[in-house]
Amino acid sequence: DAKTTQPPSMDCAEGRAANLPCNHSTISGNEYVYWYRQIHSQGPQYIIHGLKNNETNEMASLIITEDRKSSTLILPHATLRDTAVYYCIVREGQTGANNLFFGTGTRLTVIP
Amino acid sequence: GAGVSQSPSNKVTEKGKDVELRCDPISGHTALYWYRQSLGQGLEFLIYFQGNSAPDKSGLPSDRFSAERTGGSVSTLTIQRTQQEDSAVYLCASSLPPNTEAFFGQGTRLTVV
Repeated sequence: DAKTTQPPSMDCAEGRAANLPCNHSTISGNEYVYWYRQIHSQGPQYIIHGLKNNETNEMASLIITEDRKSSTLILPHATLRDTAVYYCIVREGQTGANNLFFGTGTRLTVIP
Repeated sequence: GAGVSQSPSNKVTEKGKDVELRCDPISGHTALYWYRQSLGQGLEFLIYFQGNSAPDKSGLPSDRFSAERTGGSVSTLTIQRTQQEDSAVYLCASSLPPNTEAFFGQGTRLTVV
């Protein structure tokens, strides 16, 4: 069962920052927040993950609230190729014993 | 190989026949996942293997579905007596726990006619 809630769809203008929210109010102390995306007809692609500190990599930034009940994935300069379904997942990270449950995600459409 | 490999990429089968789908995970990855995705739908978890632990089979939709992972590497998902509702893309992923990203294959598109 997915432990996250995301808006079903969002639009973003090309070149602007895309901010994708995720609620995970029941997250436990040892659960990480992961983000994946799925571009049409492809397998899901890992983007970023974090525990409690904000994280940044070459693809995106992840902002996690202090109470860890929500997070935001930020694509700083969205391009047309960022159009995809974005999935926010929580996963126990100590042993990797928990599998990855995907919810319905947010369909991001980047508009020219 | 460089990534997760799945075969075949496409499979068309007649209703009632059995099918086997193969997944070659990234070498050294101890965790392996199977998902399926029906047209326009999200990913549905099927089964999860982690090392030598008993697999998490909680997502298998019926007893017609089974999976095994031999030698901790290659995995085969078997669907017996296929039904039209089994038509979907079956995705495999592998990861090296703990707390690491999962890499997905390109999937097997199964069509039951």
